[in-house]
Amino acid sequence: DAKTTQPTSMDCAEGRAANLPCNHSTISGNEYVYWYRQIHSQGPQYIIHGLKNNETNEMASLIITEDRKSSTLILPHATLRDTAVYYCIVRTSFMDSNYQLIWGAGTKLIIKP
Amino acid sequence: GAVVSQHPSWVICKSGTSVKIECRSLDFQATTMFWYRQFPKQSLMLMATSNEGSKATYEQGVEKDKFLINHASLTLSTLTVTSAHPEDSSFYICSAPLPRGLNEKLFFGSGTQLSVL
Repeated sequence: DAKTTQPTSMDCAEGRAANLPCNHSTISGNEYVYWYRQIHSQGPQYIIHGLKNNETNEMASLIITEDRKSSTLILPHATLRDTAVYYCIVRTSFMDSNYQLIWGAGTKLIIKP
Repeated sequence: GAVVSQHPSWVICKSGTSVKIECRSLDFQATTMFWYRQFPKQSLMLMATSNEGSKATYEQGVEKDKFLINHASLTLSTLTVTSAHPEDSSFYICSAPLPRGLNEKLFFGSGTQLSVL
């Protein structure tokens, strides 16, 4: 079973920040939070990941609460091309030989003009 | 950045025939690759883990004789759907992690849409 829960769908206006929440209340101390997205009929695309600290890259920002039980992915200026299903996943450290990711249902994000 | 190439992008075949899907890591070596299946409007389901030089590990409920996996080199894994039937029609995706010590990202191929008539 997936270890995360996300809203089924969200809308966001083009040019605005899209904030996608994720609950992972059973996360373990050595588990990272990963975000991927999947545009229709394509393979998933890596967005960002983090362990404890907030992270930012050229695509997005990841805010992880202090107790690590939830996180928020922020797309600062959403465009129509950001319409996709966004998956929040937790997985163990890369030191673990098992690289499996357990996929939940994700959030369908629709960016509206 | 690291790229995983998957071919073909889509294939249509007759029932009873076999279909081979290739997954290549283009600029890194992948001792492990993962094969997923995705039905419409559903999430990814792990089918098997492909290990270079050894037998693949299949998830519960996945028939290893039907979904043959070969990982003959550090950059290539293949999935062969044998004696395909309409219920095998699905979106198949491969993925590969970068080697340890470099980056813990998992990279995905673009997927293969299989339609069995």
